[in-house]
Amino acid sequence: KAGVTQTPRYLIKTRGQQVTLSCSPISGHRSVSWYQQTPGQGLQFLFEYFSETQRNKGNFPGRFSGRQFSNSRSEMNVSTLELGDSALYLCASSLDLGANSPLHFGNGTRLTVT
Amino acid sequence: AQSVAQPEDQVNVAEGNPLTVKCTYSVSGNPYLFWYVQYPNRGLQFLLKYITGDNLVKGSYGFEAEFNKSQTSFHLKKPSALVSDSALYFCAVRDMDDSWGKLQFGAGTQVVVTP
Repeated sequence: KAGVTQTPRYLIKTRGQQVTLSCSPISGHRSVSWYQQTPGQGLQFLFEYFSETQRNKGNFPGRFSGRQFSNSRSEMNVSTLELGDSALYLCASSLDLGANSPLHFGNGTRLTVT
Repeated sequence: AQSVAQPEDQVNVAEGNPLTVKCTYSVSGNPYLFWYVQYPNRGLQFLLKYITGDNLVKGSYGFEAEFNKSQTSFHLKKPSALVSDSALYFCAVRDMDDSWGKLQFGAGTQVVVTP
């Protein structure tokens, strides 16, 4: 069974631009979560989607948004990029929203903002 | 609100020696606890989880973790460390009574196993 796939693997953008990251969950998984990972802040929760609905949201500004499609694939968008948005963005899927369902992570998208 | 503390930024151990990575947690209700490992330039890999029942949980790659409710701890252990165990380890907690709650991760502990 294929794992979680994130595209692209690497991105370089300039300040003020916007970016869209894509995530394909494991087949059959209906929940998708997004995390931002930086050396200083560690893993920060962005949002979680289940059945095309945002179920949870972290403490990020409105420039960060996401969505989930009917096939469970998810995208996140960051508008008006800032230097501090440089990070590894991780997507994770799980079978459902059950509290004991482990997350399965993709290898991430490395975003560099210059 | 839930929180996780991993008190050690880095743990150094010689190959063949026992490895312990510490984790303490705080939740309003009962916890679901998880350990993940991250290798360079990769995502996190699930190692093991505690839901209920036996306090000693066995997971992948020879790792195990012991749940201690009175000390609110969930330390990760391996009897004999390998050089290939060198990686970043994350402990995470979710409130069992809050199905909609997010999974809260600790800051991570870098494990360095020397030959």
